[in-house]
Order: sequence, then C-alpha cells, then structure tokens
Amino acid sequence: SYELTQSPSLSVSPGQTASITCSGDQLGDKYTCWYQQKPGQSPVLVIYQDTKRPSGIPERFSGSNSGNTATLTISGIQAMDEADYYCQAWDSSSFVVFGGGTKLTVL
Amino acid sequence: VQLVQSGAELKKPGASVKVSCKASGYTFSTYDIVWVRQATGQGLEWMGWMNPYSGNTGYAQKFQGRVTLTRNTSISTAYMDLSSLRSEDTAVYYCARFPTVTSGLDSWGQGTLVTVSS
Repeated sequence: SYELTQSPSLSVSPGQTASITCSGDQLGDKYTCWYQQKPGQSPVLVIYQDTKRPSGIPERFSGSNSGNTATLTISGIQAMDEADYYCQAWDSSSFVVFGGGTKLTVL
Repeated sequence: VQLVQSGAELKKPGASVKVSCKASGYTFSTYDIVWVRQATGQGLEWMGWMNPYSGNTGYAQKFQGRVTLTRNTSISTAYMDLSSLRSEDTAVYYCARFPTVTSGLDSWGQGTLVTVSS
C-alpha cells in the first residue's frame, strides 16, 4: 500500500516561514492536497492539486510537489496558524492516503 | 455546501453503529462521499468512498468486511455502518465530499464521536 511520511512536529516564530514536508514514492507524479486541523475542529482543505488554494484560504499558504516530496509553505506565520497539518494523495490501489500529520507550533 | 452528521454514539464491543451524513447546498449525487476516522490524538485514517449516483463503493483493506457505505438519494444522506465494534474503533468519524481525485476533500462534516466501551 502507498504511504506518505511527515515529520511529527515543527516550531516556528511569528512572522517567519514554515515549510512542512510530505514524502512518498514518486509523489511528484501524483496530486497532493493539504489540510489544516485545529483542536476540536474538522479538517479544512488549504491546498489542492499541489499548488491551488481554495476560496478563502490566505495567499500565505502555498504548495509545491516534485520528486518524492510535497511541501506546504506558510509565510508570515501567525498564531492562528498553529494546528495539525496533513498531506493527502490519491493512489490507484490505496485510494485516499493521508500522511501522519505535522503539529505546527507557533512560538 | 454543508454536511451534517448524526450525534455521538456509545456502543458495546461486538455491536454495530450507523452514522449518517446529510448533504445540502449542492446536488448530492454529483460528488463522491468518503469516510475518515480519527482516534483521539491520532491522525486521519481513510475508511472508504461511495458514489451517491451509482452506489458504487470502495473500502480500505483494513475495514473490508466490517464497513458498509450506503445512501438515500431522496434525502441526500450517506451512511456509514461499522460492525463488530471493538475498543480500538473509538474515534471521531467524519464524512467529506470528494469531487475529484485532484480536488481533495473540499467539505467535511462536523464529526461523530463513536465510543466503544463495555
């Protein structure tokens, strides 16, 4: 089965840039999505099709995907960005696959 | 677009649970519905998908034989039935809309807590 790997945690100071990575075999050949989940809330889609932002998602959220790694970049980090972030891809045999999640802490 | 799920459930080991997910704000039969669960403090785990128009389904191997996804198109509602419950099934269960394989899960229900305890 297809697997996605994320680092468990990341700490960033306000105003700085956070880069959250997601790795998988030839992930660059698949489309990757990213979700933000705050405590007690449902996940929210923040990036789809590698680089696209849904309506209402701030421009400081961006994504890229190449080789074996997809990256979610959040620039100008704010306290409200503190959350868990999950990558997700679609695989023809495993269907919907999630990474294990990265807990982003804003110092 | 809104997905509203049924309320929390408390079940005994070995029982079954059925969670509903009522869709509004779009044509229910147009987009797939997927089910995802999350145990406390853990990550997201995909369980299966259903095409509301055809009724076709696909299940994660882990849940094959224990989960059944159905729908009632007349009331725009999807259902997730999980049988032979055990304590490890205690989790929040989410439904989500899945327009295409590239679009991501663009709208989520509020989640339903299922607790399995004797």
